[in-house]
Amino acid sequence: AQSVTQPDIHITVSEGASLELRCNYSYGATPYLFWYVQSPGQGLQLLLKYFSGDTLVQGIKGFEAEFKRSQSSFNLRKPSVHWSDAAEYFCAVGARRGSGNTGKLIFGQGTTLQVKP
Amino acid sequence: DTGVSQDPRHKITKRGQNVTFRCDPISEHNRLYWYRQTLGQGPEFLTYFQNEAQLEKSRLLSDRFSAERPKGSFSTLEIQRTEQGDSAMYLCASSLGVPAGELFFGEGSRLTVL
Repeated sequence: AQSVTQPDIHITVSEGASLELRCNYSYGATPYLFWYVQSPGQGLQLLLKYFSGDTLVQGIKGFEAEFKRSQSSFNLRKPSVHWSDAAEYFCAVGARRGSGNTGKLIFGQGTTLQVKP
Repeated sequence: DTGVSQDPRHKITKRGQNVTFRCDPISEHNRLYWYRQTLGQGPEFLTYFQNEAQLEKSRLLSDRFSAERPKGSFSTLEIQRTEQGDSAMYLCASSLGVPAGELFFGEGSRLTVL
């Protein structure tokens, strides 16, 4: 069965410091992988996704993530965090069916990011 | 704004009452998804539609839950005989249905069952 684990429930970093949010997945083949961000009172917004090809993917707001097949990981990074990055971050895995993505996503439980001034 | 819209944003009801949520997806999107999110958890998949066809339902979707998308546009999610355990945020998302296509989420409908 597919599953996603985000080991860190809560992370606090200082503004300007680097950030890495961990994500491990369980899936029988190469999945589609996503990172979403959810700010209070806002809908989930896609930061980036991995479909195939280059294992280092760039997203919006200066985020990047690296797919490591050998570690079943898809960690999210940002070199310098801004106060506006404080939010909840979700890693998700999507199943492939035939040649396409069914769209059904399995989410991790999320990591809450707090940014200290 | 032409994003995914959900209504109502917040519903408070008494146990045993029926509630209905509506989702209007992005107009050109043929896929529509319902998720449920409880406090401190990630969204859990409930069901999805491709056009008007409901193609998959989670085991989480008990008999008290029903979803429709009658004309392949908006969708409704009805919960009958609500229970306190149904209290959650109900999220709707839509997509174009292309490989690795992005899901666009609405802001959610929060249900509180007293």
